[in-house]
Amino acid sequence: NAGVTQTPKFQVLKTGQSMTLQCAQDMNHEYMSWYRQDPGMGLRLIHYSVGAGITDQGEVPNGYNVSRSTTEDFPLRLLSAAPSQTSVYFCASSSSGTGIYEQYFGPGTRLTVT
Amino acid sequence: ELKVEQNPLFLSMQEGKNYTIYCNYSTTSDRLYWYRQDPGKSLESLFVLLSNGAVKQEGRLMASLDTKARLSTLHITAAVHDLSATYFCAVFMDSNYQLIWGAGTKLIIKP
Repeated sequence: NAGVTQTPKFQVLKTGQSMTLQCAQDMNHEYMSWYRQDPGMGLRLIHYSVGAGITDQGEVPNGYNVSRSTTEDFPLRLLSAAPSQTSVYFCASSSSGTGIYEQYFGPGTRLTVT
Repeated sequence: ELKVEQNPLFLSMQEGKNYTIYCNYSTTSDRLYWYRQDPGKSLESLFVLLSNGAVKQEGRLMASLDTKARLSTLHITAAVHDLSATYFCAVFMDSNYQLIWGAGTKLIIKP
């Protein structure tokens, strides 16, 4: 199993550009989440999904869109990039199967907006 | 609103010493997680604590959970340089099956 994969690993955008961060998992997990990590602030939840076709907002959703058309994929779209979106983005997945809900993380995408 | 507080946020210690990282949370939860993050890397699960009084140990790390006090501890015994990392605790919210994260404790262990 590849686990949770994310692409790209690094990205530089200009203010106002849009892009999609890709996330995929091959563990058949029903829950998927997007976080951003900024220095000294831990992880902040952007959007999450509890299954295909179902998404909801987290703590910091503004400027981001998500969709979940399949169990495996959960892309994050930046609509019009701003310097405040410079961050490291992590995708995670988990399952209710064992009742543990342990989250497994992708390698991250380091985004710089100039 | 569930809040998770870790302390200390930064810890520099000598090899061979013992220390404890504390994780307090503000509302009821019966699942708590500890993760490790090395610089520039992703997060790796260390422990999952599922009930009051749960204790888990792996090598020089031991985690415990007191759900009544809303407190978890991560104890480091006889620290070694390889344990230098940032450690995060996270608490499960059964309202949306998501985790709320502490700010992390950056641990530096000097040889």
